[in-house]
Amino acid sequence: GNSVTQMEGPVTLSEEAFLTINCTYTATGYPSLFWYVQYPGEGLQLLLKATKADDKGSNKGFEATYRKETTSFHLEKGSVQVSDSAVYFCALNSGNTPLVFGKGTRLSVIA
Amino acid sequence: DGGITQSPKYLFRKEGQNVTLSCEQNLNHDAMYWYRQDPGQGLRLIYYSQIVNDFQKGDIAEGYSVSREKKESFPLTVTSAQKNPTAFYLCASSRTGDFPTNEKLFFGSGTQLSVL
Repeated sequence: GNSVTQMEGPVTLSEEAFLTINCTYTATGYPSLFWYVQYPGEGLQLLLKATKADDKGSNKGFEATYRKETTSFHLEKGSVQVSDSAVYFCALNSGNTPLVFGKGTRLSVIA
Repeated sequence: DGGITQSPKYLFRKEGQNVTLSCEQNLNHDAMYWYRQDPGQGLRLIYYSQIVNDFQKGDIAEGYSVSREKKESFPLTVTSAQKNPTAFYLCASSRTGDFPTNEKLFFGSGTQLSVL
């Protein structure tokens, strides 16, 4: 079946540090891949997506590249801010099923 | 503004009691979803509805029930059969219920359910 594995959190970084959150997936067929973000006390919102191999999704300084050969979709940002503190979810959409989410990775950025 | 409204924000359940969580959307979306969020568990799918008057069980449907009588509404009932109901419940919608879809999910702000 389809599944997503994210790196365990929490991740704590200083402001302006480089961020990587790892995400790997298992899927039948050719999934689309997504990153969602959840700020404290809120629902999730779409951060970026990629629909085919080698596509790069980007938004708000975050990037992720769909790597079919390594079945990965790692999230990166060159310089994090305190306002980036949130929980980040990797997800995939494949086959006749709704979106499948990873367990989430909590990021805390300290000034 | 279009969006998804969940109510109440906080809800308390007594032993043996059924409680209903409300979810309303004014986005004219076909599909709606209920997820449960527990610390360290991520989001788990309870029920989903691809179109009005139809719904399917997700991964953890036991102890829950839903209805989809109107396009804009997808209430979730947590029954007394759900023995561990304390969690954060998120409702979502998407424009289409045709899977697979690249349509993004729109989420409500969630309901925190606790057991007294």
